[in-house]
Amino acid sequence: NAGVTQTPKFQVLKTGQSMTLQCAQDMNHEYMSWYRQDPGMGLRLIHYSVGAGITDQGEVPNGYNVSRSTTEDFPLRLLSAAPSQTSVYFCASSSPTLEQYFGPGTRLTVT
Amino acid sequence: AQRVTQPEKLLSVFKGAPVELKCNYSYSGSPELFWYVQYSRQRLQLLLRHISRESIKGFTADLNKGETSFHLKKPFAQEEDSAMYYCALDNQGGKLIFGQGTELSVKP
Repeated sequence: NAGVTQTPKFQVLKTGQSMTLQCAQDMNHEYMSWYRQDPGMGLRLIHYSVGAGITDQGEVPNGYNVSRSTTEDFPLRLLSAAPSQTSVYFCASSSPTLEQYFGPGTRLTVT
Repeated sequence: AQRVTQPEKLLSVFKGAPVELKCNYSYSGSPELFWYVQYSRQRLQLLLRHISRESIKGFTADLNKGETSFHLKKPFAQEEDSAMYYCALDNQGGKLIFGQGTELSVKP
């Protein structure tokens, strides 16, 4: 099993550009989440999903969209990138009541 | 409001010294708490969770509901323990609330 995979590993965007961060898991987990990691702030939840076709907002959803058309994939879209979105993004998946498995992260810089 | 607080941004100890990383939480209900560890430039991985009550890599953590704490302890720190440690609270439905993180540095 590959576990949770994320692409790309690194990305540089200009302000106003859009892009999609990819996340996939092969463990048949129902739950998937996106977090951003910023120094001194820990990880904050952006969006999450409890199953295909079901998504909801987390703590910091503004500027991001998600969809969950399959159990395996949970892409995160930045609609119009801003410097405040410079961060490391982690995708995670889990089954109910079990631990969350994290992807390797995407380091995004917005100039 | 649900919250996790890790008061120490950085904790520096010498090899062989005891370590305690503090975590306090605020949660209305019965909390499920975790410690995650992130070694340099690696993904987060689960270190331990309170319901399993096990010791991983010599670390233990006890849930104290009276003090709303879940401190992580190890009697003798090793250099390979140097990492970023996050305390997290399960807010149901696959949502975790993380503390700010504590960087542990173990010096030789």
